[in-house]
Amino acid sequence: EIVLTQSPGTLSLSPGERATLSCRAGQSVSTSYLAWYQQKPGQAPRLLIYGASSRATGIPDRFSGSGSGTDFTLTISRLEPEDFAVYYCQQYGSSPLTFGGGTKVEIK
Amino acid sequence: EVQLVESGGGLVKPGGSLRLSCAASGFTLSSYSMQWVRQAPGKGLEWVSSISRSSSYIYHADSVKGRFTISRDNAKNSLYLQMNSLRAEDTAVYYCARVAFGMVRGVCDYWGQGTLVTVSS
Repeated sequence: EIVLTQSPGTLSLSPGERATLSCRAGQSVSTSYLAWYQQKPGQAPRLLIYGASSRATGIPDRFSGSGSGTDFTLTISRLEPEDFAVYYCQQYGSSPLTFGGGTKVEIK
Repeated sequence: EVQLVESGGGLVKPGGSLRLSCAASGFTLSSYSMQWVRQAPGKGLEWVSSISRSSSYIYHADSVKGRFTISRDNAKNSLYLQMNSLRAEDTAVYYCARVAFGMVRGVCDYWGQGTLVTVSS
């Protein structure tokens, strides 16, 4: 099983600032099958990024993903008020599918 | 508009059973693999089960293998999760999700709103 470790656990930032979230895998993620989701309280997760760096339909270009192998990053270039949420990474290259523990982006 | 609506959650005693349903609309269910993902209260996401378009391939997480069964009825635009021998640790919101890009197990591009299952005596 590929364990995904997200850091930091919580990121305290102000609107307009840049957010950099990390997802580290215990083993190499096959074919960069790494996704990022955003989840707000009481809501289902929303797909942001797939294939490590491809934005899902309708996702603003302030969200970008990068990385390969075992180290992946989600960057939000300028935080908007609606971006404060919890973010999860997921690998889907090997079984079982696994998710990271999440990073909460909160308003400073 | 793609919609996934789960139902069937509730309070059940340890050792009991529940059957979750997910009604799909806005797309052709038979063209997509589907999966269930759960989230315990205040915790992260956990993959539970996946099923291919024609039910030829079925996968379950080790934590539910032998107790949960995923199934689908494409004619009824529905996905199911039969949960038996429920344990306290199965308490979670269960999400039905569509698998993108033709994969059997993969990234979820659409999610339902979830249904809460509480296992408690």
